[in-house]
Amino acid sequence: GQQVMQIPQYQHVQEGEDFTTYCNSSTTLSNIQWYKQRPGGHPVFLIQLVKSGEVKKQKRLTFQFGEAKKNSSLHITATQTTDVGTYFCALGSSNTGKLIFGQGTTLQVKP
Amino acid sequence: DGGITQSPKYLFRKEGQNVTLSCEQNLNHDAMYWYRQDPGQGLRLIYYSQIVNDFQKGDIAEGYSVSREKKESFPLTVTSAQKNPTAFYLCASSITGVSNQPQHFGDGTRLSIL
Repeated sequence: GQQVMQIPQYQHVQEGEDFTTYCNSSTTLSNIQWYKQRPGGHPVFLIQLVKSGEVKKQKRLTFQFGEAKKNSSLHITATQTTDVGTYFCALGSSNTGKLIFGQGTTLQVKP
Repeated sequence: DGGITQSPKYLFRKEGQNVTLSCEQNLNHDAMYWYRQDPGQGLRLIYYSQIVNDFQKGDIAEGYSVSREKKESFPLTVTSAQKNPTAFYLCASSITGVSNQPQHFGDGTRLSIL
């Protein structure tokens, strides 16, 4: 079945440093979504990528979809304490219609 | 204010007891989902429903049951057959049950064993 690997599992950065999390799939994806879960909270949808090689930006966040549509990354420039949380990728499969969530990357930001 | 309401926020289960977690949405979404989240883990799909009166098993359905009698409601029962029920349970909904729709989550229910 479809497998997803998200790395790293944890990342501690100093405020102002950059941060990147990577998501890799064993199969070609129809789309990929990214979610953020604050400590003690619930996942909140951030963005969806659909096209090969697509790049989308939301302020300091940059999302990329690989050319082969098998991997994706989320990059945060100049992290702030408000960026703390766990970032999940969620893979869409045209075969099942379901989302498969990655294990998440937990970001800690030291002020 | 539209959204998803899960109750209760905290729930304790005794050995051999069935408990039911409530999930209600007023977003007029067709699809609803139940996920289980263990500490430091991602979300694992328990059951999902793409339309009223229909639901399918997810990846970890054993020991759980659901119903979808109304569009707004998708309750999850954790049965006594689920031997390790302690987890954070999240309900979600989306406009339709296709994978290119964002999912909206409730605040979750934390279930513990007494």
